[in-house]
Amino acid sequence: GESVGLHLPTLSVQEGDNSIINCAYSNSASDYFIWYKQESGKGPQFIIDIRSNMDKRQGQRVTVLLNKTVKHLSLQIAATQPGDSAVYFCAENPPGAQKLVFGQGTRLTINP
Amino acid sequence: EPEVTQTPSHQVTQMGQEVILRCVPISNHLYFYWYRQILGQKVEFLVSFYNNEISEKSEIFDDQFSVERPDGSNFTLKIRSTKLEDSAMYFCASNPRTAKNIQYFGAGTRLSVL
Repeated sequence: GESVGLHLPTLSVQEGDNSIINCAYSNSASDYFIWYKQESGKGPQFIIDIRSNMDKRQGQRVTVLLNKTVKHLSLQIAATQPGDSAVYFCAENPPGAQKLVFGQGTRLTINP
Repeated sequence: EPEVTQTPSHQVTQMGQEVILRCVPISNHLYFYWYRQILGQKVEFLVSFYNNEISEKSEIFDDQFSVERPDGSNFTLKIRSTKLEDSAMYFCASNPRTAKNIQYFGAGTRLSVL
């Protein structure tokens, strides 16, 4: 039968505004987290990562916050640009594992 | 900038046929991975490969699948007797010395099983 894709959470922001994308992860023991950006027809592209011994990490226009108490990650993008429009995935690396476990993804649309 | 390259970009096959998806990881990387993404869904781990052997695999990666590093540069995923539900984007990834590190993804191969 036909498979139905998951309904992606969506976020629309005006160009130049800040955006916050949230993610809940599943394994409280995961010790490495990473955000990827995926544009249509392309592979996941690294944005920023953070280890579990940190609460916050900043990059160029991006900040990742980690709240281990509630197993929550967020990605803040400052001064959004049209090129930021994409699907954003968080991923966790469980302890002792090599794999990444991806979250559902959020579709970010930047309106001109 | 070094990148993971995958070929072909699109593979169309008949149900029951075998396909081989090819990847050239970033040179000097030691860990290699295959993931798949069914249309509209999240990326799912299939298998990781280190030191010429499978180091981790998911429940999806059953006897229908196999991986190989036939030479010093290529990393392949073979899917035997393809099924309709194997239709997906297949991504190769690699990372350097340790697993707690950025995995760099290729652009993917779109597999269409008819």
